Amino acid sequence: KNQVEQSPQSLIILEGKNCTLQCNYTVSPFSNLRWYKQDTGRGPVSLTIMTFSENTKSNGRYTATLDADTKQSSLHITASQLSDSASYICVVVSGGSYIPTFGRGTSLIVHP
Amino acid sequence: SAVISQKPSRDICQRGTSLTIQCQVDSQVTMMFWYRQQPGQSLTLIATANQGSEATYESGFVIDKFPISRPNLTFSTLTVSNMSPEDSSIYLCSVEAGALTDTQYFGPGTRLTVL
Repeated sequence: KNQVEQSPQSLIILEGKNCTLQCNYTVSPFSNLRWYKQDTGRGPVSLTIMTFSENTKSNGRYTATLDADTKQSSLHITASQLSDSASYICVVVSGGSYIPTFGRGTSLIVHP
Repeated sequence: SAVISQKPSRDICQRGTSLTIQCQVDSQVTMMFWYRQQPGQSLTLIATANQGSEATYESGFVIDKFPISRPNLTFSTLTVSNMSPEDSSIYLCSVEAGALTDTQYFGPGTRLTVL
């Protein structure tokens, strides 16, 4: 069964600090991996999309890494801001069917 | 890109009633997707709506409970029928857009509470 596991479930950090969110998956075959940010009361918004051949991709202060061999991904947030407080969702899309499998998300709270 | 709007943004409904959620996209898309997001859970795909054909439902979801309409390439509705408190959730409309249709866009969601 295709699964996406995210850790930690929740995280509290101080403004200006860095943090890293983890995503492990069992989806096979693999097409691409996506990270989304979901603000409270809003729909998810895409941060990065990575294919099999990509090891890292950045979007401003967000940097995602992918290790397709170990089926792990991480999302690193640099110099966190209050507006980074949100849920971060890892999504893995299977090859062939292109069906996305969603993780439960990591809830990040950034305190001043 | 695609901009998606949903109506209503939230509602509180009584058990046994039905609610229709509307989804409007600012561009023509082939497929529209309806998701449910229960508290603390991941997004679950309810069904895929194609214009001109019946929606395709995922395991655990049936047309009688979640009838879907797709009258044109920019609009869709999802009805939650004969609601119970277990239907309390956020319902999200989504499309894939972009040159390679590799980007998934989501609406703001409809927060439904059933009493």
